[in-house]
Amino acid sequence: EAGVAQSPRYKIIEKRQSVAFWCNPISGHATLYWYQQILGQGPKLLIQFQNNGVVDDSQLPKDRFSAERLKGVDSTLKIQPAKLEDSAVYLCASRPVKGGKINSPLHFGNGTRLTVT
Amino acid sequence: DQQVKQNSPSLSVQEGRISILNCDYTNSMFDYFLWYKKYPAEGPTFLISISSIKDKNEDGRFTVFLNKSAKHLSLHIVPSQPGDSAVYFCAASALSSGSRLTFGEGTQLTVNP
Repeated sequence: EAGVAQSPRYKIIEKRQSVAFWCNPISGHATLYWYQQILGQGPKLLIQFQNNGVVDDSQLPKDRFSAERLKGVDSTLKIQPAKLEDSAVYLCASRPVKGGKINSPLHFGNGTRLTVT
Repeated sequence: DQQVKQNSPSLSVQEGRISILNCDYTNSMFDYFLWYKKYPAEGPTFLISISSIKDKNEDGRFTVFLNKSAKHLSLHIVPSQPGDSAVYFCAASALSSGSRLTFGEGTQLTVNP
């Protein structure tokens, strides 16, 4: 099966500019996640979607970050305006939900490395 | 509040020997634990998991041990191979929080030939 696709792979922007990342999950995976991984740290959940609804966005800095998953498939994550501390790898992950079992491993994309200068 | 901690940023092991990576957690609600492996410029890939009802799970060269009373888990790789060189992340989740994964900081494993 095809994996989680993300684009772009790399992005360099200046602070206060805007940026958007795109994710296409594995076909049929109902649950989609965006994680932020700062260098030297583990991935931190930003937002979780179940189909096209938000399940958990408690750790999303909503003053500058937004995400959507129209039609319950692809998703975009936007930062507006970017700050220096947003420099990180942004990982998208997806997971199937079968028969109510949600403890199945996440499948990650290769991420987008964002550098804010 | 770091609920999952990997206290060793790096570990170096000789090929053929055992690698032991450790992870501690503080949230007693965690009931499912996973290990992910990450190569440079790639996303994390799932390695092995364990439910809180077990204390050991084995898959080939990889074994995960869970000590609930100590809130500690470990990943054993034996024998270690140079291709195992990667960053290993421990992660935990709780059904009560919608199975959100909380990751540790990662341990860079280097297996020397």
